[in-house]
Amino acid sequence: KQEVTQIPAALSVPEGENLVLNCSFTDSAIYNLQWFRQDPGKGLTSLLLIQSSQREQTSGRLNASLDKSSGRSTLYIAASQPGDSATYLCAVINQAGTALIFGKGTTLSVSS
Amino acid sequence: GAGVSQSPRYKVAKRGQDVALRCDPISGHVSLFWYQQALGQGPEFLTYFQNEAQLDKSGLPSDRFFAERPEGSVSTLKIQRTQQEDSAVYLCASSPQGVLLGDTQYFGPGTRLTVL
Repeated sequence: KQEVTQIPAALSVPEGENLVLNCSFTDSAIYNLQWFRQDPGKGLTSLLLIQSSQREQTSGRLNASLDKSSGRSTLYIAASQPGDSATYLCAVINQAGTALIFGKGTTLSVSS
Repeated sequence: GAGVSQSPRYKVAKRGQDVALRCDPISGHVSLFWYQQALGQGPEFLTYFQNEAQLDKSGLPSDRFFAERPEGSVSTLKIQRTQQEDSAVYLCASSPQGVLLGDTQYFGPGTRLTVL
């Protein structure tokens, strides 16, 4: 059974810092991996989607990497801003290809 | 309406009541998913529809949970005889085609269910 783990569970940083969020998964047979952002009381917003054949994806200040063989992904946020404060969730597609399997998330707080 | 909408946004039920949660996906999206998110946890998969066909319901926690999408658009998640452990946020998501094609899923704001 696929399990997704995210470390750390919570992170507090001052504005301007670069930071890394970690995600690991137990079964390397994934179709793709996604990083989502969740703001309190709101749904999830997709940030980056990495296909299984890709190594990384970039969008603005965000960069996500994927190492299937080791079952790891990282989300790098450059020059963090208070508006980045949210919960970040990592998810992989299940073996049936019908659903996302999520980690518990990392709650990020960026102070000004 | 460009996004996925869900109603009601909040629902309080007494233990034993039946509830119905509605999801309006993005128009034209083939795939629809329901997830359950308990406090402090990531979303957990409940069920998946491709058009009107329910192709995967392996995540439904018990036979008290039932989902339908009769016309391949709006979907309803029904919970019978609610129990306190059903308290959670129920998220709906849709995608244009299927997840295997690399589609991202677009999530609604969720319905927060509290069972007293």
